[in-house]
Amino acid sequence: QVTLRESGPALVEPTQTLTLTCTFSGFSLTTSGMCVSWIRQPPGKALEWLALIDWDDEQYYTTSLETRLTISKDTSKNQVVLTMTNMDPVDTATYFCARTSTVTGALDYWGQGTLVTVSS
Amino acid sequence: DIVMTQSPDSLAVSLGERATINCKSSQSIFFSLNDKNYLAWYQQKPGQPPKLLIYWASTRESGVPDRFSGSGSGTDFTLTIDSLQAEDVAVYFCQHYYSTPPGTFGQGTKLEIK
Repeated sequence: QVTLRESGPALVEPTQTLTLTCTFSGFSLTTSGMCVSWIRQPPGKALEWLALIDWDDEQYYTTSLETRLTISKDTSKNQVVLTMTNMDPVDTATYFCARTSTVTGALDYWGQGTLVTVSS
Repeated sequence: DIVMTQSPDSLAVSLGERATINCKSSQSIFFSLNDKNYLAWYQQKPGQPPKLLIYWASTRESGVPDRFSGSGSGTDFTLTIDSLQAEDVAVYFCQHYYSTPPGTFGQGTKLEIK
C-alpha cells in the first residue's frame, strides 16, 4: 500500500525559508523509474508543479521558482525534502507531494497536503 | 514551457447526462517512439488531494469507473464522463508530463450538477 504524508510548519514569516518533508511508504525511491514531486495549490486556484527528484537523484524544478527551490531525498528514511527560500505571502498554498512511476508516468499517489500560510 | 489550456472553466450537466471537458497543449505531447501521449487527467473534490483518473491520455487508472474516458492525440484531448453521477461533482485538471521539467497543469474545470 503506497502512502505519502507531508509535514512542516503551518505558518512561516515573510523572507523565511520553508522546509517541508514528504514521508512515504509502499515503494522505494531506489527503484528505477520512481520519482517524487512537490506540487502546490493556492486557495481556490490551480495546481502548480514545483519540483521532482528521481531514483537516480536527478532533480528538476519549475523554471519560475528554480532559484528558490531545493529538493533532496533520504532513501534510508523514505523521505523527500523540499526547501523554498525567501517566502512571500503569495506562496500561501497547500503543498502536496506525489509519486510517479514508469507504469503511469503521471502522479499516481498523492499525500493529503499541508497548508502553509505566509504571514507576519 | 508547454502551456495547458482547459475549456470550459465551468460546466453544469444534468444527472445521467454526458460531460465533456477539453484540454489543449501549446505543443504536441505525443512521443512517436513509444506511440504515447503524455497527458493525464485528475479529479479533485473539496478538501481532498487530486486523484489520478486517466494516464497516457486514454488509459483508465485502476478502480476508476468506466464512465470516465479519455481521448485525443497531439495537442487536443478530451475527458468524457458518461451518465454523470452526483459523486462526480469536482474540479478536473489535465496535466502534461512530456518534457523536463514535467508537470504543467491546466487551470481546471469545475463540474456541477444542473
